[in-house]
Amino acid sequence: DVKVTQSSRYLVKRTGEKVFLECVQDMDHENMFWYRQDPGLGLRLIYFSYDVKMKEKGDIPEGYSVSREKKERFSLILESASTNQTSMYLCASSLPGQIYGYTFGSGTRLTVV
Amino acid sequence: SQQGEEDPQALSIQEGENATMNCSYKTSINNLQWYRQNSGRGLVHLILIRSNEREKHSGRLRVTLDTSKKSSSLLITASRAADTASYFCATDQTETSGSRLTFGEGTQLTVNP
Repeated sequence: DVKVTQSSRYLVKRTGEKVFLECVQDMDHENMFWYRQDPGLGLRLIYFSYDVKMKEKGDIPEGYSVSREKKERFSLILESASTNQTSMYLCASSLPGQIYGYTFGSGTRLTVV
Repeated sequence: SQQGEEDPQALSIQEGENATMNCSYKTSINNLQWYRQNSGRGLVHLILIRSNEREKHSGRLRVTLDTSKKSSSLLITASRAADTASYFCATDQTETSGSRLTFGEGTQLTVNP
C-alpha cells in the first residue's frame, strides 16, 4: 500500500527548540509539500519541493526551513519553535501535473509550550 | 487570499439523504480537487475534475464544475454515517508555478444514523 509517513503523530516541544518534522514517501513522487492546518484558517502551504535539493517558499515560510537531500524524504525544520507554531502539520506528495492529486501523511500535531 | 471557499461550513443530515457541498474560487484553474479528512487525520483524495470538464462521477460522488461562475459542487448520494468527515476543495491555479494546490477551509459533514 503506497503511502506518506510522518515520523511523529504527536510532538511536544519547548519554546526556542529546533524541531525537525520528517516525511517519507514510497511512491517515487517528484513533488512534496508541507502544510499547516489551523481551525478557521484551513490548510496553508509552508514550503514545497519539485526535486531533490530543490525548494520553494509557499504562503507562510517565515520561521521554517526545509531539506530534501533524497527524493523520498522531505524534512520541515522549525529553527526556533514558538507558541504560534503550535499546529497540525501535514506532509503530502504528488506526481507532476496533478494527475492523481496529493497523497497525504497522517499529520503531526505539534504543541510548543 | 482565500482561493477555495466551501459552503456551507457545516452540514448535518440523516443517513440515506444526499449531501451537497459547494466551493467557489477566484482565479483561473487547471483543475479542482475534492479531499476528505477524518478527525485528526490526513486528507484523502476523492476526485479531480479538469477545467475543461463539467461533471464527473466516482461511486456515490458526483462533482460539477462551472468555470464561468468559478464554482464547483460535490454531491454525496445515499449518505452513510461513515461519510462523517470534513470535505475540502483544492484548486490548481494556472497563475502559480508547478503543482501546488490551494485549499479551502472545508465543510464539516455530519451524517446521523
